[in-house]
Amino acid sequence: GAVVSQHPSRVICKSGTSVKIECRSLDFQATTMFWYRQFPKQSLMLMATSNEGSKATYEQGVEKDKFLINHASLTLSTLTVTSAHPEDSSFYICIARWGGGGGGYTFGSGTRLTVV
Amino acid sequence: GESVGLHLPTLSVQEGDNSIINCAYSNSASDYFIWYKQESGKGPQFIIDIRSNMDKRQGQRVTVLLNKTVKHLSLQIAATQPGDSAVYFCAENFGNEKLTFGTGTRLTIIP
Repeated sequence: GAVVSQHPSRVICKSGTSVKIECRSLDFQATTMFWYRQFPKQSLMLMATSNEGSKATYEQGVEKDKFLINHASLTLSTLTVTSAHPEDSSFYICIARWGGGGGGYTFGSGTRLTVV
Repeated sequence: GESVGLHLPTLSVQEGDNSIINCAYSNSASDYFIWYKQESGKGPQFIIDIRSNMDKRQGQRVTVLLNKTVKHLSLQIAATQPGDSAVYFCAENFGNEKLTFGTGTRLTIIP
C-alpha cells in the first residue's frame, strides 16, 4: 500500500519550454505533498510543501512563479517547471505525507529533468 | 537550526560483512527518522523508519538504532551483498512536517 506514481521518470526539454511532473497517490490520500530537488552528489533539498486545496509554501530561494505547484486533489499533485533553463536540470522527487500521527511518508520514484 | 549529517561520506565493506552507517541530528524534538538508499541514477528507496518512542527497530537484514541522548542514528546492514552498494541517507522529521535529509554516505561492497 501507499504507493506514489511519479511521471515522467526522465524528460529532456529545450530551454524556455515548460515541463510538468505529476505525482499520483494510487491507494491513499496524500494530505501533504513535499517537492524536493536533488543536484548531483547532493542530498534532497525541499522546494515546497503543498496541501490539498491550498497554495503551496515555498522554501526560501525557490521561485514560486517558476516552479508552479498544484495540489487540486488528495491524489494528484503537479510541479511545473516554467521557462526551463539548463540550471534547472536536476532530479525532482515528490514525497507524500499520509495519515495522522501514525502515518508516514511515501516517496515518488523521481524525475530526471535535463534542459538543453 | 535543524541539521542532519552523516559522520562518514564513504564506507567500503567486504561482501558478507556487516556495515554500520551513522547519522547525527541536531533537533532534539525530532520524532521520526527514515533511512533510505539511492542507487546511481535511480530514485530513493525506503529502507526503514523509526519513531522517537523506540530505540531499535529491525527489518530484513537491517537494524536502525536511535540514541536520543546523543542525537545519533545508525543503520546496521547484516551480511552485506553487492546490491547494497548505494548512497544511504538519513532524514529526520518533527511534528509530521517536512523531512530534512542528511548529506549521504556512499557504501561500496567489495566482492
